[in-house]
Amino acid sequence: GAGVSQSPSNKVTEKGKDVELRCDPISGHTALYWYRQSLGQGLEFLIYFQGNSAPDKSGLPSDRFSAERTGGSVSTLTIQRTQQEDSAVYLCASSFGQGNEKLFFGSGTQLSVL
Amino acid sequence: GENVEQHPSTLSVQEGDSAVIKCTYSDSASNYFPWYKQELGKGPQLIIDIRSNVGEKKDQRIAVTLNKTAKHFSLHITETQPEDSAVYFCAASNPGSARQLTFGSGTQLTVLP
Repeated sequence: GAGVSQSPSNKVTEKGKDVELRCDPISGHTALYWYRQSLGQGLEFLIYFQGNSAPDKSGLPSDRFSAERTGGSVSTLTIQRTQQEDSAVYLCASSFGQGNEKLFFGSGTQLSVL
Repeated sequence: GENVEQHPSTLSVQEGDSAVIKCTYSDSASNYFPWYKQELGKGPQLIIDIRSNVGEKKDQRIAVTLNKTAKHFSLHITETQPEDSAVYFCAASNPGSARQLTFGSGTQLTVLP
């Protein structure tokens, strides 16, 4: 596709349920990032994938959060046993990778935990 | 690690006036400073960026200035239009950091017609 695609665009879930958020990066982009944006706040770094290197998971807020990137392309962010404080917009971005910092963002997934 | 502070958090201007948003950063090794615009319901979009080997960059009505000594950089929008209304984020990048970009907390700009 022409841009970064995220699905679903909106997700409403009950506290305690698991959710999976999907990101399709721009073709050819080797770097992929997940950020979290709480209401009225800035962008909080979660995790970074670069090619086949081990991901930088240092931004994940708890062990309930995990992410995978299969085949160097599509990524899935999984949140287990969701809590109300997980409610936020989850943004995915991709770039051409090392040495090129220009990020292209998707429109995000609005997660609401009731 | 890098820390980026952004001011103001909200800014209202009359159409046609100028708007200025300021950011400071903490890591003197940072050398890349982009600005992103986020419209309602969309992801942030890069609008302009500057590297530490230049002091100013312009693109039509948008300009960014950088003061490396003081570790601050600013976004200037002239002749503002209603479509400039959005949230603007500054960011700083240290090439030695795998995270690359550290974002400011954002500025909600409202251009009043």
